[in-house]
Amino acid sequence: NAGVTQTPKFQVLKTGQSMTLQCAQDMNHEYMSWYRQDPGMGLRLIHYSVGAGITDQGEVPNGYNVSRSTTEDFPLRLLSAAPSQTSVYFCASSPLSSGSKDEQFFGPGTRLTVL
Amino acid sequence: AQTVTQSQPEMSVQEAETVTLSCTYDTSESDYYLFWYKQPPSRQMILVIRQEAYKQQNATENRFSVNFQKAAKSFSLKISDSQLGDAAMYFCAYRTHHGSSNTGKLIFGQGTTLQVKP
Repeated sequence: NAGVTQTPKFQVLKTGQSMTLQCAQDMNHEYMSWYRQDPGMGLRLIHYSVGAGITDQGEVPNGYNVSRSTTEDFPLRLLSAAPSQTSVYFCASSPLSSGSKDEQFFGPGTRLTVL
Repeated sequence: AQTVTQSQPEMSVQEAETVTLSCTYDTSESDYYLFWYKQPPSRQMILVIRQEAYKQQNATENRFSVNFQKAAKSFSLKISDSQLGDAAMYFCAYRTHHGSSNTGKLIFGQGTTLQVKP
């Protein structure tokens, strides 16, 4: 049971390049989400999904695309990287049910630098 | 929309002493969940403690406890007998109760960096 995995751990891009951040979970969680963490701003929700084939925007979705073709995987695509997207990105998953005991499990994060 | 505010960017505490981290939030909902997460230098997000808004009793987990004041929309974290391993960034987070379309979405505060002095 690997939990939530993210690849790569570090990435440097040039402005205008595209790339995909990978996220996978092996806990059969319906809910998956992507956050970005910036200094002084905490974690902000980019996109989320409540199940395969269903995605929705979070607080800061511009410049990012997601898809959810399987329960396990939830990749985040940067279409044309910009320096403003330099950040640490976290993927998280949880069961989609009631209760505070449904802890969100976070991946180890990806540090992305856009030059 | 819900917001979470942590007004203390940095705090420090002497080892073995007690420290309290502050968090306030704004919501029009009556039922929700509140969390404190710890992020050590490894970047891993670790759940420290959780509170259900409909429960009046403050949650406790070993050396960690909260002071939940629903009317004041305040949710502070108290760390007793601070240890060097408690040094980290701490995030307060809010989550809507099950039944709304926002189920699962966490709203985070800005974070408080805690330094523990030996």
